[in-house]
Amino acid sequence: DAMVIQNPRYQVTQFGKPVTLSCSQTLNHNVMYWYQQKSSQAPKLLFHYYDKDFNNEADTPDNFQSRRPNTSFCFLDIRSPGLGDAAMYLCATSRDLKRGRNEQFFGPGTRLTVL
Amino acid sequence: AQTVTQSQPEMSVQEAETVTLSCTYDTSESDYYLFWYKQPPSRQMILVIRQEAYKQQNATENRFSVNFQKAAKSFSLKISDSQLGDAAMYFCAYRSPSTNFGNEKLTFGTGTRLTIIP
Repeated sequence: DAMVIQNPRYQVTQFGKPVTLSCSQTLNHNVMYWYQQKSSQAPKLLFHYYDKDFNNEADTPDNFQSRRPNTSFCFLDIRSPGLGDAAMYLCATSRDLKRGRNEQFFGPGTRLTVL
Repeated sequence: AQTVTQSQPEMSVQEAETVTLSCTYDTSESDYYLFWYKQPPSRQMILVIRQEAYKQQNATENRFSVNFQKAAKSFSLKISDSQLGDAAMYFCAYRSPSTNFGNEKLTFGTGTRLTIIP
């Protein structure tokens, strides 16, 4: 089945130690998104790629970076995680922008713990 | 900027009964998309139903239907014959129709946690 895969599902890191979260998709979608979701809150968009074009949200801290080496993969790098970065990180994809085919498909998320 | 408001942080319903979750939004655009997403505990978010603003007919997907009131900027979700598997956090979301790069994102409401009472 076509899907959005996130690895690992659970990640523990130490304060200040860089960490990378991974997302892959078999849907061949143009757009890939990274969201941060804290407990009982709505997902907050960090940034997204439309093909290779990167769009950073204005309030996304510099501590968060992303890479998309090809259509299938996208990475979230947290350069120096703080305690406030502990959250669920969701990856999502969507097809191009033609009318009616624009819902986002979400992965299961990676829960990040910062010690 | 668009905003989405879900005024019910928590709702509960007896199994087999009907429940309605509220959502209002604010926008100056005339064409847009609205979504309801479901996020069960410890499981991934999935799309429940989608509504295009240019369509007057309310969307329906099996037991799920919406009441889309464009003038009132209201987009409520009705779940009929509630089942235990419907227990989840439900998010209402708005998407701009613009094809300009950078406008593909969703604006989410704060969510409604739905509990199903056996």
